[in-house]
Amino acid sequence: DIVMTQSPLSLPVTPGEPASISCNSSQSLLHRNGYNYLDWYLQKPGQSPQLLIYLGSDRASGVPDRFSGSGSGTDFTLKISRVEAEDVGVYYCMQALQTGALSFGGGTKVEIK
Amino acid sequence: EAQLVESGGGLVQPGGSLRLSCVASGFDFSNYWMTWVRQIPGKGLEWVANVRRDGGEVHYLDSVKGRFTVSKDNAKNSVYLQMDSLRAEDSAVYFCARGRASFEYWGQGTLVTVSS
Repeated sequence: DIVMTQSPLSLPVTPGEPASISCNSSQSLLHRNGYNYLDWYLQKPGQSPQLLIYLGSDRASGVPDRFSGSGSGTDFTLKISRVEAEDVGVYYCMQALQTGALSFGGGTKVEIK
Repeated sequence: EAQLVESGGGLVQPGGSLRLSCVASGFDFSNYWMTWVRQIPGKGLEWVANVRRDGGEVHYLDSVKGRFTVSKDNAKNSVYLQMDSLRAEDSAVYFCARGRASFEYWGQGTLVTVSS
């Protein structure tokens, strides 16, 4: 099974400043079709998770363009160009390559300084 | 707009059973895989099981194999998670989600507590 590791565990941020979260997978998520099967989710306090990024770098519908995903193979990054107060919550990466055994990272809690 | 609504959670004793339901609306349910994900309150997300569009293929987290059964009823726009031989470590909020990955739609979750 693929193990997903995120860092940092906690990320205090200043509104208007950029933020970055890393995600590493124990196996390459690069499919032979050229796509990286990596999702990013945000779970705001008291809510269900919401999809931000799929296939490593494609923004989901309605997601602001301040969110971007990058990386390939085993190393991925979620970047927020300018953090807003509504971006607080826990961010999770998830490997979508092995759909019979999906796995999530442990989460990164983003909070306002 | 797609919507998923879970039900069936509650308090159950160790070794007991529960059946969770997730009713879908706003999309062609028969065209989608469906997935169950759980979350211990205050902890991370854990994939539990998924079922193919026609119900003919299923996959499970190793720790629930042989105890949980996922099924799909396209006529009722519903997906189910039958949970038997429940353990304390199965206590969590259970979410259903549309698809096999890249989950655009999630339910609000239903809380399962396994305790004597």
